[in-house]
Parts: sequence; structure tokens; C-alpha cells
Amino acid sequence: LAKTTQPISMDSYEGQEVNITCSHNNIATNDYITWYQQFPSQGPRFIIQGYKTKVTNEVASLFIPADRKSSTLSLPRVSLSDTAVYYCLVVPMNTGFQKLVFGTGTRLLVSP
Amino acid sequence: GAGVSQTPSNKVTEKGKYVELRCDPISGHTALYWYRQSLGQGPEFLIYFQGTGAADDSGLPNDRFFAVRPEGSVSTLKIQRTERGDSAVYLCASSPTGASENEQFFGPGTRLTVL
Repeated sequence: LAKTTQPISMDSYEGQEVNITCSHNNIATNDYITWYQQFPSQGPRFIIQGYKTKVTNEVASLFIPADRKSSTLSLPRVSLSDTAVYYCLVVPMNTGFQKLVFGTGTRLLVSP
Repeated sequence: GAGVSQTPSNKVTEKGKYVELRCDPISGHTALYWYRQSLGQGPEFLIYFQGTGAADDSGLPNDRFFAVRPEGSVSTLKIQRTERGDSAVYLCASSPTGASENEQFFGPGTRLTVL
């Protein structure tokens, strides 16, 4: 499985856009990029998943350049409730079961 | 609808004791996973069930750890002769199938403290 690298922590203020970049230099052809969010005292929650270019949902956008060696999770106009740990994962698709491999994630702190 | 539930939410035990942690997955989900999360770390895979069978138990740290899912729904993680190093949050997740493209739905976890 491709290893991912992301910043340990980030700070932001309410209303700002936050971009968290993840590196995955050894990503394979059938790998997707998946992001999970974890609030304190809760299990992780799926946010978004993509293969290339751009994916957007009601929570976030995911930007993936053509070489796919990195990806950026974009959270528009964050609020205090976006304070959480964000995990970037690389998940092989269409291969049956694959265990999720979490790194240490990026701890985002949103202040007033 | 109801999500994944785990009981108890907290468990304090003494070194050497036996503990059982329970997971109720989302109804109809055939795939069930157990993870362990230590403070400041991401979740670490323990075991995966497809239906009643353990399809991958490669993450279980040693033979003190065992999990069952006898009827293909509720699962129990069992830890014998607990050690202080077993202290962690034990997370359960489920997904509709075991296919890698399915998102996994996590429960709130059981915080195990071994004194």
C-alpha cells in the first residue's frame, strides 16, 4: 500500500478556507484517495473519495493533480465544529477487501 | 437510521483479567472490522469478518486476542490476560460488503483501560 504523508497539525480561523495536502508518491494505478474525519471521542467518518481531477460534495472538495502523487482536501469556510483529525488514505479499488491503513492524520484546530 | 453501536463505552479492568467488547453493526452490513487506536495515533486494523467468518485476522497482535461473529451480525472482541499495553480505544466498523470501494462506518469505540 502506498504510504501517505500529511502535516501533523494546522490552525485556522472561522470562515477561512482550509487546504490539507497529502503526499502519496507511490500511489498505484488502481488506488483511490480517501479522506476520513475524526472528532474527539468518536470513530472516523468518511468525507470524500476520488481518483483524479476534482471531486466535490456537501462537505469538502478533493483536488488530485494529473500525476496523482499528492492530493488536497479543501474545506470551505470552516467553523469551530470542523476541529478534528483528518486522515488521508490510499485504498486499492476493485480488489476485494482491503484494510484501511491510517497514518497519524492532520489535527485541525479552528479558532474563533 | 441506527449506526454502529459499541458496548461498553468505557471499560476499566485489572491486569490479567478477561474482557469482552461488543459491536452491533449497521443492519444488513455483511462486512465488519475491528480496529485499535492508541492516543495520538490513527486506528490500526485488527480483524475483518465477512459474514460469520474471519476473512483476515492479520492485525491481531497475539493469541490473547480473539473475535467472533457467530450469526453474521453482532461481533465480540475478546481479550484474555489483559496487559497495560492493551489500553486503547477499540473501534468497530461495518460496510455493506467487504469491497474496498465501500466506505466503512465506524462506531464510537470502547475505551479500554488496563490498570
